[in-house]
Amino acid sequence: DQQVKQNSPSLSVQEGRISILNCDYTNSMFDYFLWYKKYPAEGPTFLISISSIKDKNEDGRFTVFLNKSAKHLSLHIVPSQPGDSAVYFCAASEGNYGQNFVFGPGTRLSVLP
Amino acid sequence: DTGVSQNPRHKITKRGQNVTFRCDPISEHNRLYWYRQTLGQGPEFLTYFQNEAQLEKSRLLSDRFSAERPKGSFSTLEIQRTEQGDSAMYLCASSSNQAPNTEAFFGQGTRLTVV
Repeated sequence: DQQVKQNSPSLSVQEGRISILNCDYTNSMFDYFLWYKKYPAEGPTFLISISSIKDKNEDGRFTVFLNKSAKHLSLHIVPSQPGDSAVYFCAASEGNYGQNFVFGPGTRLSVLP
Repeated sequence: DTGVSQNPRHKITKRGQNVTFRCDPISEHNRLYWYRQTLGQGPEFLTYFQNEAQLEKSRLLSDRFSAERPKGSFSTLEIQRTEQGDSAMYLCASSSNQAPNTEAFFGQGTRLTVV
């Protein structure tokens, strides 16, 4: 049973528009959430994270929103750029100085020029 | 380069052979993780170390898999009697436990192909 779900395998957006990637989780013990970006033949690269004590975290063009009651988080990229085209993974952990991270299956984002 | 380093980047082996991968974490990180990723899936947790102690192992880690981190620095992952189902990208990551909620940094992975 997947504890972290990303129900959209792929997403296409126009350059300059907003990209919204969604993630749902089932384990209520998760309290730290991360987004990673992955290019082909490379390891995942950390993008942004959020602790469960917050509902929003922003870093430049990237904003992560957390809705704990719905067990849902989303990553917003504004404005989207062609270089953002990659696979995005949502991950979660039970915090507490970090045990293992549980990853979703990923969403492939294509930003069209 | 002070990131996580994995060797080799690619490995092709015949079924039944043993393979060993190496991971050198970021030097000040005391946590080290191994993950496996297959096509279309996210990374799946295999095991993690805090310093030299292996603190958790996934049930995915069959008895043909063994990981070590003898001096709390680099780690090795060995797969014995490889099977075609072992073909995957093996990812290593490291993190610090000096503060709560710290991200893990990944290496570029070792792609294993069992023929």
